[in-house]
Amino acid sequence: EVQLVESGGGLVQPGGSLRLSCAASGFSFSSYSMNWVRQAPGKGLEWVSYISSSSRPIYYADSMKGRFTVSRDNAKNSLYLQMNSLRVEDTAMYYCVRDVSGRNWGQGTLVTVSS
Amino acid sequence: DIHLTQSPSSLSASVGDRVTLTCRASQGISNYLAWYQQKPGKAPKSLIFAASSLQGGVPSKFSGSGSGTEFTLTITSLQPEDFATYYCQQYHSYPITFGQGTRLEIK
Repeated sequence: EVQLVESGGGLVQPGGSLRLSCAASGFSFSSYSMNWVRQAPGKGLEWVSYISSSSRPIYYADSMKGRFTVSRDNAKNSLYLQMNSLRVEDTAMYYCVRDVSGRNWGQGTLVTVSS
Repeated sequence: DIHLTQSPSSLSASVGDRVTLTCRASQGISNYLAWYQQKPGKAPKSLIFAASSLQGGVPSKFSGSGSGTEFTLTITSLQPEDFATYYCQQYHSYPITFGQGTRLEIK
C-alpha cells in the first residue's frame, strides 16, 4: 500500500522557518517525481513545487521562489520542503503528492504563520 | 500560466442523478488533465489522470473526457458519499495549476 506521511508543520512567527518532511513507502520512491501542494483554510488547491526523480529539474510557484527549497533523499525514501521567510499567507495544509498527475496524496501537515 | 475554469462553482443534485462537471483551460493542454475529489477535512483523492484514465480502485461511475481546452467529469448514479468538492488540475506545463473547484451538494 502506498503511504505518504508528512510531518514538520506547526506554528511559526512571520519571517520564521520550517522544514517539512514526507516519508514515502509502498512504491519505488526513486522512480517517481514528487510535488508539494498546499491548501489555505477554506480555499482551493495551490501547487507549490516539483522535483524530478533525480532531483533535476526542480520547479517552484512564483510566490515561493527564493523562499522555499525542495529536496529529496532517495536512499531514505523522503521528500523535504525547507520554508524560509514565512508569511501569514503561507498558512495552509501542505500535502506531499506522488507524480505530476497526483496519483497519491499524503494526509497533510498544517503550517500556521502567525504572531 | 494556464488558467483553469471549472463550472458550475456549485451544483445541487439528488441521490441517483447523473451530473457533468466542466473544466476549461485558457490554452491547449492536450490530455494532461487530472480530476480529484475532496471531502471536508480530508486530502484530495485522485480519480482521473490523462483526462480519461481511471485511477486504480476508482469506481467506473466516474468518467472523464476531453482534450485541448475543454474537459468533463461525469458521475453517474450519485450516492451520498459522492457529495464533495471536485477539482481539475493541468500538468501540461509549469506552474501546475488547479481549477477553483466545483462543490457538489445534496439537493
